[in-house]
Order: sequence, then structure tokens, then C-alpha cells
Amino acid sequence: GQNIDQPTEMTATEGAIVQINCTYQTSGFNGLFWYQQHAGEAPTFLSYNVLDGLEEKGRFSSFLSRSKGYSYLLLKELQMKDSASYLCAVKDSNYQLIWGAGTKLIIKP
Amino acid sequence: GAVVSQHPSRVICKSGTSVKIECRSLDFQATTMFWYRQFPKQSLMLMATSNEGSKATYEQGVEKDKFLINHASLTLSTLTVTSAHPEDSSFYICSARPARGHTEAFFGQGTRLTVV
Repeated sequence: GQNIDQPTEMTATEGAIVQINCTYQTSGFNGLFWYQQHAGEAPTFLSYNVLDGLEEKGRFSSFLSRSKGYSYLLLKELQMKDSASYLCAVKDSNYQLIWGAGTKLIIKP
Repeated sequence: GAVVSQHPSRVICKSGTSVKIECRSLDFQATTMFWYRQFPKQSLMLMATSNEGSKATYEQGVEKDKFLINHASLTLSTLTVTSAHPEDSSFYICSARPARGHTEAFFGQGTRLTVV
């Protein structure tokens, strides 16, 4: 079956760096997405990786290793507003998005 | 990015009644729209995929007669929850993809449905 694994919850300190990991097993691969979702709101797009390597966008970076079925989202200079759930999603061979359960990130002052 | 507008954002209805949720792409034509349901502390569950002008494709376990999806135009898709029951209470989210193979899908704001 298809499976996306990410930690359920993480805690980090304001101003610090946190890395959220995602491992996947899917039927085919057509890209990996990271979304941010605040409680009660719809997800918002953060990043998209289809080739191996690191994609940097401001305070957020996303890394992909297709051979390992692994990605991580790196958040730097954490701010209180970064407290949210972070969803990893993989587009499979049918271009369907397979979603992880999300990682709830708690930022402490 | 592109804007997807979902309406209403919150709705409370009585058990047995029907509720319609609209999803509009405001500045692009959406050939494909997706409807998701999300229960508290759980991930998004794809309910159905709709392509403009054709019948929606429902995921296994989703009742097509209960969750009616219409995608009559390139900018509007609707989800109607018929004969709603308390267990249908959930967060419903639509997303729209501008063109086939496009990388990113854009999400609506979501609709919190409470059936009492």
C-alpha cells in the first residue's frame, strides 16, 4: 500500500531551527509537497520537490532524496506564527496526492 | 498564487437536511477540482475528483449518492451533502488545479460543517 510517515508532534524554541522528516512509499513518484496548515484553516503551499536536493525559500527549505524515499522540511529562525501542522504529500504515478497525517509543530518562547 | 474561494466557511444544519458547498477558482480555469474531508487531528482524505463537464470520480468508501458533486463550469464545483447526519460533521476542503499535470493545486478556505 501507499504510506507517508511523519512525526505526530514536535516542539521547538522561538528563534531556533527545526527539521520535520517525511518518509514515503508510494506507487510511483511525481513530486513531493509540503503544506502548512493552521488549526481550522485550509493548507497553504510551502514547497515542491521533484528532483533530489535542497530547495530554499526564505526561512523554509525542503530536501528530497528519491532513492531513500525521504524528505525533510527545515524551518529556520522560528517564529511563534510558525506553530501549525505541516503536511507532507506525494503525487503518485496517477498524479494523485497521497497525504501524510501531518506534524504538529509547537513553538515555545 | 491563484485564488480559490470556498463558501460557506461555516455551516450548521439540522440532521436530515442537505447542505451545498461551493468552490470557485477566481483567477484561473480549473480543469480538475478535488474535494477532501478532514476529521480533527487527521490528515486530508480525498473524497472525489471532478473534471469539468464529466462525472466525478469517487474514492472507495465515499457514497456518491450522499455526496453529490457538480463541476458544471471551469470555475465552479459544488459539493452537496444530502440528508446530513451528525457523523458527516467535518472540515470539507476543495482544491483546484489549473491544468493537467500542473504541479500545484490551490486550496479553498475550507468549510466547517456541523450537523446537529
